[in-house]
Amino acid sequence: GAVVSQHPSRVICKSGTSVKIECRSLDFQATTMFWYRQFPKQSLMLMATSNEGSKATYEQGVEKDKFLINHASLTLSTLTVTSAHPEDSSFYICSARGVGHPFYEQYFGPGTRLTVT
Amino acid sequence: AQTVTQSQPEMSVQEAETVTLSCTYDTSENNYYLFWYKQPPSRQMILVIRQEAYKQQNATENRFSVNFQKAAKSFSLKISDSQLGDTAMYFCASSSGNQFYFGTGTSLTVIP
Repeated sequence: GAVVSQHPSRVICKSGTSVKIECRSLDFQATTMFWYRQFPKQSLMLMATSNEGSKATYEQGVEKDKFLINHASLTLSTLTVTSAHPEDSSFYICSARGVGHPFYEQYFGPGTRLTVT
Repeated sequence: AQTVTQSQPEMSVQEAETVTLSCTYDTSENNYYLFWYKQPPSRQMILVIRQEAYKQQNATENRFSVNFQKAAKSFSLKISDSQLGDTAMYFCASSSGNQFYFGTGTSLTVIP
C-alpha cells in the first residue's frame, strides 16, 4: 500500500512553454503533498507544501507564479512550471502524507525529469 | 528550523562487509523523528529505517541498524553484510511536524 505515482516520468519542453506534472496517491487519501526539486547528485530541496483544498505554502526563494501548485482533491496534486527556462531543468519529486497514516510517514513518487530546451 | 549534516559525500565498501554512514542534526524540538532514505539509480526514494527521538532503543531493520545518540545529536546508519543492491545515495532526514529536512547525501558504492 501507500503508492504514489507521478506523470509524466520524463518530459522535454521548449523554453517559454508551460508543463504540468501530476502527483497521485493511488491507494490512500493524501491530506498533504510535498513537492521537491533535486539537482544532479544533490539533496532534495523542498519547494512547497500543499494541503487539499487550500493554497500551497512555498519555501523561501521559490517563485509562486512560476511554480503553480494545485491540490484539488485528496488524491491529486499538480505542479505547473510556467514559462519554463533551461534553468528549470531538474528532477521533481512529490511525496504525500495520508489520512490514517502516521503523520511522520511520507510516501514518495518516482519523480519526473524535466528538460527545457 | 532543523539542519541535517552528512559529512561523507562518498563511501565505498566491499561486498559482505559492514559500513557506517554518519549523520548529525540540529533541532530545538523535543519531539521529532529521524530517517534514513535510500535513492538508487532509479531515483525512487525508499525508506530504509526510522527512529523516534523519544525512544532510546536503536532501530533495526534486517541488515540496517542505527546508532542514535540523542545528546550528541548523532544518527548513524550501519549496513551489515553489504550487498551490490545497496549501492545508492543515502539521505539522512529529520522531521518535526509538517516538514522534512534532508542532509546532502552520501553516495555509497558496494564493490564486488
